[in-house]
Amino acid sequence: KAGVTQTPRYLIKTRGQQVTLSCSPISGHRSVSWYQQTPGQGLQFLFEYFSETQRNKGNFPGRFSGRQFSNSRSEMNVSTLELGDSALYLCASSPFAGGQNTEAFFGQGTRLTVV
Amino acid sequence: GQSLEQPSEVTAVEGAIVQINCTYQTSGFYGLSWYQQHDGGAPTFLSYNALDGLEETGRFSSFLSRSDSYGYLLLQELQMKDSASYFCAGFDDKIIFGKGTRLHILP
Repeated sequence: KAGVTQTPRYLIKTRGQQVTLSCSPISGHRSVSWYQQTPGQGLQFLFEYFSETQRNKGNFPGRFSGRQFSNSRSEMNVSTLELGDSALYLCASSPFAGGQNTEAFFGQGTRLTVV
Repeated sequence: GQSLEQPSEVTAVEGAIVQINCTYQTSGFYGLSWYQQHDGGAPTFLSYNALDGLEETGRFSSFLSRSDSYGYLLLQELQMKDSASYFCAGFDDKIIFGKGTRLHILP
């Protein structure tokens, strides 16, 4: 069974640009959650999508948005990039929605560098 | 708000036992889980506690006390490959992670 696939693995953008990251969950999983990971801050929850609907959103500005397609693949978009957006962006795939899961399966992440 | 607190770093000796604590301030967590992340890698699932008590998986054990809003991960017979960051995570309507504990292992 293929794991969670995130593309691209690395990205360099300049301030003010926008970026789109992609996540393909494990086949059959309908929930995709996105996290931002920076040194010393752990994994900060961005949002969760389940069956093409955003179920939850973390405390991030509106520049961060996402969507989920009918095949459960998800994209995350960050507009008007700032230097502080440099981070590892991880997506996690689970079969059920939110707290109904006991385990999340992570992709390798996309390392975004904003210069 | 929801938050999970864990020590930022822990150091132990190869072959020894180490405990990583996690306390949380939230209501309604369904359970507590633990993840391991090596440098440059993805977090990987270690264990999940839905009920109070100890869950054992090989060299790793995890404990939960709901009344104390507290849990811990116990690693036995430490090996150098256990050097990594360990995250506790709480489950309610979403999965919230602590900031992680960096485990350093000395030979």
